[in-house]
Amino acid sequence: EVQLVESGGGLVQPGGSLRLSCAASGFTFSSYAMSWVRQAPGKGLEWVSAISGSGGSTYYADSVKGRFTISRDNSKNTLYLQMNSLRAEDTAVYYCAKESGSIVGATTYDYWGQGTLVTVSS
Amino acid sequence: QSVLTQPPSVSAAPGQKVTISCSGSSSNIGNNYVSWYQQLPGTAPKLLIYDNNKRPSGIPDRFSGSKSGTSATLGITGLQTGDEADYYCGTWDSSLSAGQVFGGGTKLTVL
Repeated sequence: EVQLVESGGGLVQPGGSLRLSCAASGFTFSSYAMSWVRQAPGKGLEWVSAISGSGGSTYYADSVKGRFTISRDNSKNTLYLQMNSLRAEDTAVYYCAKESGSIVGATTYDYWGQGTLVTVSS
Repeated sequence: QSVLTQPPSVSAAPGQKVTISCSGSSSNIGNNYVSWYQQLPGTAPKLLIYDNNKRPSGIPDRFSGSKSGTSATLGITGLQTGDEADYYCGTWDSSLSAGQVFGGGTKLTVL
Protein backbone atom coordinates (compact mmCIF):
# COMPACT_ATOMS: atom_id res chain seq x y z
CA GLU A 1 0.00 0.00 0.00
CA VAL A 2 1.36 3.39 -1.00
CA GLN A 3 1.79 5.77 1.94
CA LEU A 4 3.04 9.33 2.01
CA VAL A 5 3.45 10.91 5.43
CA GLU A 6 4.39 14.58 5.70
CA SER A 7 5.95 16.16 8.76
CA GLY A 8 7.78 19.31 9.79
CA GLY A 9 4.98 21.86 9.63
CA GLY A 10 4.32 24.37 12.36
CA LEU A 11 4.27 28.03 13.31
CA VAL A 12 7.16 30.17 12.09
CA GLN A 13 7.78 33.91 12.06
CA PRO A 14 8.00 35.87 8.80
CA GLY A 15 11.52 35.60 7.41
CA GLY A 16 12.06 32.28 9.13
CA SER A 17 12.82 28.82 7.78
CA LEU A 18 11.25 25.40 7.94
CA ARG A 19 12.02 22.00 6.42
CA LEU A 20 9.22 19.67 5.46
CA SER A 21 9.69 15.94 5.02
CA CYS A 22 7.59 13.33 3.25
CA ALA A 23 8.26 9.70 4.13
CA ALA A 24 7.23 7.35 1.35
CA SER A 25 6.52 3.63 1.45
CA GLY A 26 4.81 0.94 -0.56
CA PHE A 27 6.52 1.68 -3.90
CA THR A 28 9.99 2.01 -5.45
CA PHE A 29 10.58 5.62 -4.45
CA SER A 30 13.44 6.36 -6.85
CA SER A 31 11.31 5.40 -9.86
CA TYR A 32 8.82 8.21 -9.46
CA ALA A 33 8.80 11.98 -9.67
CA MET A 34 7.42 13.78 -6.64
CA SER A 35 5.87 17.18 -6.02
CA TRP A 36 4.83 19.52 -3.27
CA VAL A 37 1.39 21.12 -3.64
CA ARG A 38 -0.03 23.59 -1.14
CA GLN A 39 -3.48 24.83 -0.22
CA ALA A 40 -4.00 28.09 1.64
CA PRO A 41 -6.91 28.15 4.09
CA GLY A 42 -10.18 28.14 2.15
CA LYS A 43 -8.36 28.34 -1.20
CA GLY A 44 -7.56 26.03 -4.09
CA LEU A 45 -4.56 23.88 -4.91
CA GLU A 46 -1.27 25.54 -5.84
CA TRP A 47 1.69 23.58 -7.18
CA VAL A 48 4.93 24.49 -5.41
CA SER A 49 7.77 22.34 -6.69
CA ALA A 50 8.63 19.04 -8.36
CA ILE A 51 11.61 16.73 -8.63
CA SER A 52 12.38 13.84 -10.97
CA GLY A 53 12.85 10.31 -9.72
CA SER A 54 16.64 10.56 -9.87
CA GLY A 55 16.64 14.02 -8.33
CA GLY A 56 18.46 15.42 -11.33
CA SER A 57 15.67 17.75 -12.45
CA THR A 58 13.83 20.22 -10.27
CA TYR A 59 11.08 22.74 -10.98
CA TYR A 60 9.63 25.61 -8.95
CA ALA A 61 6.61 27.88 -9.04
CA ASP A 62 7.57 31.51 -9.58
CA SER A 63 6.09 32.34 -6.17
CA VAL A 64 8.72 30.28 -4.34
CA LYS A 65 11.69 30.32 -6.73
CA GLY A 66 14.86 31.35 -4.92
CA ARG A 67 13.32 30.75 -1.48
CA PHE A 68 12.35 27.06 -1.49
CA THR A 69 14.50 24.04 -2.36
CA ILE A 70 13.16 20.59 -3.15
CA SER A 71 15.34 17.54 -2.67
CA ARG A 72 15.06 13.81 -2.12
CA ASP A 73 17.06 11.05 -0.48
CA ASN A 74 16.27 7.89 -2.40
CA SER A 75 18.19 5.78 0.13
CA LYS A 76 15.79 6.97 2.84
CA ASN A 77 12.64 7.09 0.66
CA THR A 78 12.12 10.67 1.74
CA LEU A 79 11.20 13.90 -0.04
CA TYR A 80 12.11 17.29 1.41
CA LEU A 81 11.15 20.92 1.02
CA GLN A 82 13.47 23.49 2.53
CA MET A 83 11.56 26.74 2.93
CA ASN A 84 13.48 29.96 3.62
CA SER A 85 12.46 33.63 3.85
CA LEU A 86 8.92 32.58 4.66
CA ARG A 87 6.09 35.04 4.14
CA ALA A 88 2.54 35.24 5.46
CA GLU A 89 1.27 34.19 2.03
CA ASP A 90 3.14 30.88 2.37
CA THR A 91 0.65 29.84 5.08
CA ALA A 92 -1.00 26.67 3.80
CA VAL A 93 -1.37 22.95 4.13
CA TYR A 94 1.51 21.40 2.22
CA TYR A 95 0.88 18.07 0.50
CA CYS A 96 3.45 15.79 -1.05
CA ALA A 97 2.18 14.02 -4.13
CA LYS A 98 3.53 11.09 -6.10
CA GLU A 99 3.56 11.17 -9.89
CA SER A 100 2.76 7.98 -11.76
CA GLY A 101 6.04 8.16 -13.72
CA SER A 102 9.67 9.16 -13.27
CA ILE A 103 9.58 12.29 -15.42
CA VAL A 104 8.14 15.48 -13.96
CA GLY A 105 4.97 16.67 -15.64
CA ALA A 106 4.50 13.69 -17.89
CA THR A 107 1.97 11.93 -15.74
CA THR A 108 -0.56 12.47 -12.98
CA TYR A 109 -0.58 12.66 -9.17
CA ASP A 110 -1.85 9.23 -8.24
CA TYR A 111 -1.23 9.44 -4.48
CA TRP A 112 -1.27 12.30 -2.00
CA GLY A 113 -0.17 12.59 1.60
CA GLN A 114 -2.46 13.88 4.35
CA GLY A 115 -0.70 17.25 4.44
CA THR A 116 1.15 19.30 7.04
CA LEU A 117 0.13 22.80 8.08
CA VAL A 118 2.61 25.66 7.84
CA THR A 119 1.61 28.91 9.50
CA VAL A 120 3.73 32.01 8.97
CA SER A 121 2.83 34.65 11.52
CA SER A 122 4.40 36.89 14.13
CA GLN B 1 -6.19 33.81 -10.34
CA SER B 2 -5.78 30.25 -11.60
CA VAL B 3 -4.30 29.37 -14.99
CA LEU B 4 -7.16 26.93 -15.60
CA THR B 5 -10.72 28.23 -15.34
CA GLN B 6 -13.46 26.27 -13.59
CA PRO B 7 -16.91 27.36 -12.45
CA PRO B 8 -16.86 28.10 -8.70
CA SER B 9 -19.87 25.92 -8.01
CA VAL B 10 -22.35 23.51 -9.53
CA SER B 11 -25.35 21.76 -8.03
CA ALA B 12 -27.82 19.06 -8.90
CA ALA B 13 -30.23 16.69 -7.23
CA PRO B 14 -29.38 13.12 -6.20
CA GLY B 15 -29.49 10.75 -9.14
CA GLN B 16 -28.98 13.53 -11.66
CA LYS B 17 -25.98 14.28 -13.86
CA VAL B 18 -23.57 17.21 -13.65
CA THR B 19 -20.65 18.41 -15.71
CA ILE B 20 -17.71 20.57 -14.63
CA SER B 21 -15.72 22.45 -17.23
CA CYS B 22 -12.04 23.34 -17.21
CA SER B 23 -10.69 25.85 -19.71
CA GLY B 24 -7.04 26.47 -20.48
CA SER B 25 -4.74 27.24 -23.38
CA SER B 26 -2.44 25.62 -25.91
CA SER B 27 0.47 25.63 -23.45
CA ASN B 28 -1.39 23.48 -20.94
CA ILE B 29 -4.60 21.58 -21.76
CA GLY B 30 -4.06 21.91 -25.50
CA ASN B 31 -0.85 19.87 -25.43
CA ASN B 32 -0.91 17.83 -22.23
CA TYR B 33 -3.06 15.26 -20.49
CA VAL B 34 -5.66 16.46 -17.99
CA SER B 35 -6.33 14.97 -14.58
CA TRP B 36 -9.23 15.51 -12.22
CA TYR B 37 -9.05 15.35 -8.42
CA GLN B 38 -11.77 15.08 -5.81
CA GLN B 39 -11.27 16.68 -2.40
CA LEU B 40 -13.82 15.70 0.23
CA PRO B 41 -14.15 18.15 3.14
CA GLY B 42 -11.14 18.05 5.43
CA THR B 43 -9.23 15.48 3.38
CA ALA B 44 -6.40 15.36 0.86
CA PRO B 45 -7.13 15.41 -2.88
CA LYS B 46 -7.74 12.06 -4.55
CA LEU B 47 -7.15 11.16 -8.19
CA LEU B 48 -10.41 10.70 -10.07
CA ILE B 49 -9.49 10.86 -13.77
CA TYR B 50 -6.11 10.82 -15.53
CA ASP B 51 -4.91 11.04 -19.13
CA ASN B 52 -8.10 12.99 -19.97
CA ASN B 53 -10.51 10.10 -19.61
CA LYS B 54 -9.02 7.16 -17.70
CA ARG B 55 -10.23 6.06 -14.29
CA PRO B 56 -7.90 4.59 -11.64
CA SER B 57 -9.00 1.28 -10.22
CA GLY B 58 -11.70 1.74 -7.64
CA ILE B 59 -13.22 4.83 -9.22
CA PRO B 60 -16.78 4.05 -10.35
CA ASP B 61 -17.78 4.55 -13.98
CA ARG B 62 -20.21 7.24 -12.84
CA PHE B 63 -17.19 9.52 -13.22
CA SER B 64 -15.97 10.33 -16.74
CA GLY B 65 -13.60 12.76 -18.38
CA SER B 66 -13.18 14.24 -21.82
CA LYS B 67 -11.00 16.79 -23.57
CA SER B 68 -11.45 18.86 -26.69
CA GLY B 69 -8.87 21.41 -27.80
CA THR B 70 -8.02 23.61 -24.83
CA SER B 71 -10.94 22.53 -22.63
CA ALA B 72 -11.74 19.51 -20.52
CA THR B 73 -14.89 18.29 -18.84
CA LEU B 74 -15.62 16.09 -15.85
CA GLY B 75 -18.96 14.32 -15.84
CA ILE B 76 -20.67 12.70 -12.88
CA THR B 77 -23.84 10.68 -13.28
CA GLY B 78 -26.15 9.16 -10.68
CA LEU B 79 -25.20 11.83 -8.15
CA GLN B 80 -24.93 10.77 -4.53
CA THR B 81 -24.70 12.91 -1.40
CA GLY B 82 -21.24 11.46 -0.87
CA ASP B 83 -20.10 13.16 -4.08
CA GLU B 84 -20.32 16.57 -2.39
CA ALA B 85 -16.75 17.81 -2.64
CA ASP B 86 -14.40 20.21 -4.37
CA TYR B 87 -13.21 19.10 -7.79
CA TYR B 88 -9.98 20.30 -9.41
CA CYS B 89 -8.62 19.90 -12.90
CA GLY B 90 -4.87 19.83 -13.37
CA THR B 91 -2.28 19.52 -16.11
CA TRP B 92 1.30 20.45 -16.97
CA ASP B 93 1.95 23.87 -18.45
CA SER B 94 4.78 23.91 -20.98
CA SER B 95 5.22 27.70 -21.10
CA LEU B 96 8.41 29.52 -20.03
CA SER B 97 7.38 29.14 -16.39
CA ALA B 98 6.83 25.41 -16.77
CA GLY B 99 4.96 23.71 -13.99
CA GLN B 100 1.83 21.97 -12.86
CA VAL B 101 -1.29 24.11 -13.02
CA PHE B 102 -4.66 23.61 -11.42
CA GLY B 103 -8.10 25.07 -11.85
CA GLY B 104 -9.53 27.15 -9.03
CA GLY B 105 -11.79 24.29 -7.98
CA THR B 106 -15.52 23.67 -8.28
CA LYS B 107 -17.71 23.04 -5.26
CA LEU B 108 -20.31 20.38 -6.04
CA THR B 109 -23.50 20.52 -3.99
CA VAL B 110 -25.90 17.61 -4.16
CA LEU B 111 -29.24 19.15 -3.23
